Amino acid sequence: NAGVTQTPKFRILKIGQSMTLQCAQDMNHNYMYWYRQDPGMGLKLIYYSVGAGITDKGEVPNGYNVSRSTTEDFPLRLELAAPSQTSVYFCASNGGTGVYNEQFFGPGTRLTVL
Amino acid sequence: KQEVTQIPAALSVPEGENLVLNCSFTDSAIYNLQWFRQDPGKGLTSLLLIQSSQREQTSGRLNASLDKSSGRSTLYIAASQPGDSATYLCAAYNNNDMRFGAGTRLTVKP
Repeated sequence: NAGVTQTPKFRILKIGQSMTLQCAQDMNHNYMYWYRQDPGMGLKLIYYSVGAGITDKGEVPNGYNVSRSTTEDFPLRLELAAPSQTSVYFCASNGGTGVYNEQFFGPGTRLTVL
Repeated sequence: KQEVTQIPAALSVPEGENLVLNCSFTDSAIYNLQWFRQDPGKGLTSLLLIQSSQREQTSGRLNASLDKSSGRSTLYIAASQPGDSATYLCAAYNNNDMRFGAGTRLTVKP
């Protein structure tokens, strides 16, 4: 199993540009998450999904959108990039029966908005 | 709103020492608490998950404990090694809410 994969690894955006961060998992997990991690800070939950077609907001959803059309994929969309969105983005999944079960993380995408 | 705190922010110990990392949380109605390791520039690696009904979990040289009444979890690392150098984060899971601490950066000196 590849586990949780994320692309790209690095990206530089200009203010106002849009992009999609890709996340995929091959473990048939129902639950998937997007987090951001700012320097010296803990992770903050952006959005999560409990299964295909079902998503919900986390602590910091503003400026982001998600979709979950398949069990495997959970892309994160930035529509109008702002410098405040400079961060490292992590995708995670869990194969348990609730959102609070053990999570497994991807390697992250480092995004800079200039 | 759950708040998770990890003190100290950084810790340096000589190789071979036993050490304890701390994680405090404000809302005791947690479902689970998970400990992670993060190496520089990398993602998070799951170490241990303690369910709310459990008091502790062990994996090799690691032992994590949970005391919901005091809002505290500890990660005990026995016989530390230079390869244990990393940032250790804890996460408290309430219903549909997951909150992370900022982590403790551990350095184990040879």
